[in-house]
Amino acid sequence: GQQLNQSPQSMFIQEGEDVSMNCTSSSIFNTWLWYKQEPGEGPVLLIALYKAGELTSNGRLTAQFGITRKDSFLNISASIPSDVGIYFCAGFHGNKLVFGAGTILRVKS
Amino acid sequence: ETGVTQSPTHLIKTRGQQVTLRCSSQSGHNTVSWYQQALGQGPQFIFQYYREEENGRGNFPPRFSGLQFPNYSSELNVNALELDDSALYLCASRRRLSEDNEQFFGPGTRLTVL
Repeated sequence: GQQLNQSPQSMFIQEGEDVSMNCTSSSIFNTWLWYKQEPGEGPVLLIALYKAGELTSNGRLTAQFGITRKDSFLNISASIPSDVGIYFCAGFHGNKLVFGAGTILRVKS
Repeated sequence: ETGVTQSPTHLIKTRGQQVTLRCSSQSGHNTVSWYQQALGQGPQFIFQYYREEENGRGNFPPRFSGLQFPNYSSELNVNALELDDSALYLCASRRRLSEDNEQFFGPGTRLTVL
C-alpha cells in the first residue's frame, strides 16, 4: 500500500532556529496536508496543498507540494517554544488519508 | 462553527468485550473517517462513511464496524477486543465532492484494553 517516509524522526533545536522536515512517497498524491499533534489531542491541520509546485504559507510555516507529486516539505521559521509537538505529513489517495510516522520537534529556550 | 467532537474521552475495557465510540462531525461536513493511532505512530485509516454507507476501508478486520446517521454523526464499533486494540481512536470529517479536501480531526478517544 501507499507509504509516506517522513524525516527527520525527531529534532531538538534552539529557540529562534529555522526547522525543515520533509515527506516522500513512492506513489503520487493529489493533496498533501501537514498536521501538528500535541499530547492528548487530535491532529490540527496546518497547511493544505493541492497543486504540484504549490508553495503555501501560514504565518511562520511554509510548505511546498513537490513537482513530481511524490514529496512535500514543511519549514518553520524562527521557532518558539509553543512549536513543540509532533508534525505529520499526510496525503490523500482516493478516500484514504495516509500519514507519515511524524517528526517530533523539541525546542530549547 | 462547531468542530469535530468525540465521546468518551477515555475508556477502559477488557479483552473480549465490545466498545462503541461516537463522533459528531464539524458543521457542514458530510463525510466522516475513523483512524487508529497507536503510541508513537501516525494515524492509520480504518474506514470512511458518506451518505450513511461505508465508502473506503483500510486494512482492519470485520470486527471493526461503523455507522453514520442522517445528521452525519458516526459510531465506531469494535467487537472481541484484543490487547493490540489499545490506541487513540480519531474521528475526522470533511466536505465530500468538493475541491476542498481538508480533513479536520476530533480530540480522540483513548481506549485501553486490559
